[in-house]
Amino acid sequence: GQNIDQPTEMTATEGAIVQINCTYQTSGFNGLFWYQQHAGEAPTFLSYNVLDGLEEKGRFSSFLSRSKGYSYLLLKELQMKDSASYLCAVRNAGNNRKLIWGLGTSLAVNP
Amino acid sequence: NAGVMQNPRHLVRRRGQEARLRCSPMKGHSHVYWYRQLPEEGLKFMVYLQKENIIDESGMPKERFSAEFPKEGPSILRIQQVVRGDSAAYFCASSPGTSGRIGTDTQYFGPGTRLTVL
Repeated sequence: GQNIDQPTEMTATEGAIVQINCTYQTSGFNGLFWYQQHAGEAPTFLSYNVLDGLEEKGRFSSFLSRSKGYSYLLLKELQMKDSASYLCAVRNAGNNRKLIWGLGTSLAVNP
Repeated sequence: NAGVMQNPRHLVRRRGQEARLRCSPMKGHSHVYWYRQLPEEGLKFMVYLQKENIIDESGMPKERFSAEFPKEGPSILRIQQVVRGDSAAYFCASSPGTSGRIGTDTQYFGPGTRLTVL
């Protein structure tokens, strides 16, 4: 079967660093996406990985290991506004552009 | 460049009525995806469409639900004879559908339609 696993909830302190993990088991692999979703709002695109390694974009970085079926999203210098749900999604190999979604990790940033 | 547009933002229906949700993709995007999300739950894929074609409807309930993306105009998600369990946020996303590197085809989301069935 196909499965995406993420921790349900995490808590961190303002100014700190937090790592949100995502493991996946899918039939083929054609890219992994991270999205941020604030309560009551739409998901917004954060990052995309298809090759092994780290992609850095400002305070956010995303890492991928295809052999381990593993990714993480790293958030640095946490701010209160980073309190949100973080969704991991994987695209299978082939021509279907559909994404397979994890249930999301709810991050609470405390002062 | 306007983002993905959805309307209405909020829709209230009584049981048995029809709900019609509209989605206009970003300019230049030819692929549309519909999702449903219940409070405190993850996104559930419903259907993936290109212009005039349904590509994957594996997440759509077999009865009462239908979707289309005509050559002209927005994509429509139609729910007939709504029931209370249909109350949810319905998100539409679009992607450019760039040829070649399918993996990089990123989905961008609209603000969603909150459907409440009384």
